[in-house]
Amino acid sequence: SQQGEEDPQALSIQEGENATMNCSYKTSINNLQWYRQNSGRGLVHLILIRSNEREKHSGRLRVTLDTSKKSSSLLITASRAADTASYFCATANAGGTSYGKLTFGQGTILTVHP
Amino acid sequence: GAGVSQSPSNKVTEKGKDVELRCDPISGHTALYWYRQRLGQGLEFLIYFQGNSAPDKSGLPSDRFSAERTGESVSTLTIQRTQQEDSAVYLCASSLVKKGNQPQHFGDGTRLSIL
Repeated sequence: SQQGEEDPQALSIQEGENATMNCSYKTSINNLQWYRQNSGRGLVHLILIRSNEREKHSGRLRVTLDTSKKSSSLLITASRAADTASYFCATANAGGTSYGKLTFGQGTILTVHP
Repeated sequence: GAGVSQSPSNKVTEKGKDVELRCDPISGHTALYWYRQRLGQGLEFLIYFQGNSAPDKSGLPSDRFSAERTGESVSTLTIQRTQQEDSAVYLCASSLVKKGNQPQHFGDGTRLSIL
């Protein structure tokens, strides 16, 4: 079963606008990661945020994490047509022995119109 | 090749046949994962190998599914007596493992179609 739930399921914006995607999860986590998937391709890692971090930046990406609400958001600023893809959050659960095992959400389909 | 390599990229087979999917991880990555992705869906965890430890098979959907990995090299995922519901993209990923705070690197997957 999928722990993460992403919102919205689909997002359509114009080039230059910002895109915000949200992810909620249910259990305690070690870290949360965001991935991108272009059509017909594998996933590409974007950013990892640890459970003791609240915000992280990478280029035009900004990720926040609120462990009290068990939620995260991914903001893409000044979007480009090339950002069109599916975006997935994934959580690594705290504890256990399967270090690195991730649970993925259902994804948000982002379409950026030129 | 620096990335994760999967073969074949596409596989079409008849219901009831066995299929074998292959994954070449990034050299030096001790962890290897298999996922299934149905059309328009997220990733469904299947199995996880970490070094010489016993694999985590908790995601395998039935006993028709099995996977092997020799050491820290190639892995094969085998589906026996395929069913139409097995149609999906099967993705492999590898990573270093340091307390789980490592990204996974994915191959482009094998698109499996069961007729």
